[in-house]
Amino acid sequence: GAVVSQHPSWVICKSGTSVKIECRSLDFQATTMFWYRQFPKQSLMLMATSNEGSKATYEQGVEKDKFLINHASLTLSTLTVTSAHPEDSSFYICSARQGAYNEQFFGPGTRLTVL
Amino acid sequence: AQTVTQSQPEMSVQEAETVTLSCTYDTSESDYYLFWYKQPPSRQMILVIRQEAYKQQNATENRFSVNFQKAAKSFSLKISDSQLGDAAMYFCAYRSKETSGSRLTFGEGTQLTVNP
Repeated sequence: GAVVSQHPSWVICKSGTSVKIECRSLDFQATTMFWYRQFPKQSLMLMATSNEGSKATYEQGVEKDKFLINHASLTLSTLTVTSAHPEDSSFYICSARQGAYNEQFFGPGTRLTVL
Repeated sequence: AQTVTQSQPEMSVQEAETVTLSCTYDTSESDYYLFWYKQPPSRQMILVIRQEAYKQQNATENRFSVNFQKAAKSFSLKISDSQLGDAAMYFCAYRSKETSGSRLTFGEGTQLTVNP
């Protein structure tokens, strides 16, 4: 149980285009999901907390208009990188909270490359 | 704000040997969770072990055990009988029980190499 999927696993796009990444909890409902960004050989940086039916809470320094988060259902949160630029190239990981310990279960991540 | 520090960017161990990864944290809270996560080359984050701060007994999961020193704010991970599959980046993480949101604060990570 507690499986989280992400789609796509790898995306390459041109500079200036928008890219949507989906995060799904496959076998449980998640009122809260989290989006992280990870650069090579670095730790995970929390970008935002996504709450079903309400606006996401962004961490300091994260541009809300650039990284649009929508948590439209209890099993799906999306991250849209708008007008992507090469510096947005990174590994994006989502997680969903579930269970008695409010454990975070992580998706497999999405590698974004902006040319 | 809480901080988590892993002072060993890289560690190596011989197969079948034991290795200990260090983690320290800073918090003013009395009740919280501490975690060790493993991130293999696939980059899928995997929970290795969890410790609740109010529990004095150190958590163990098969070959993985922790040394939790609450007063010293230290939380080290011991891997016994190391296997090639243990090679990964290991992250120590903190989560408050007192504040809402269940957000995790991660350390910088320790890259573990297992030598055959």
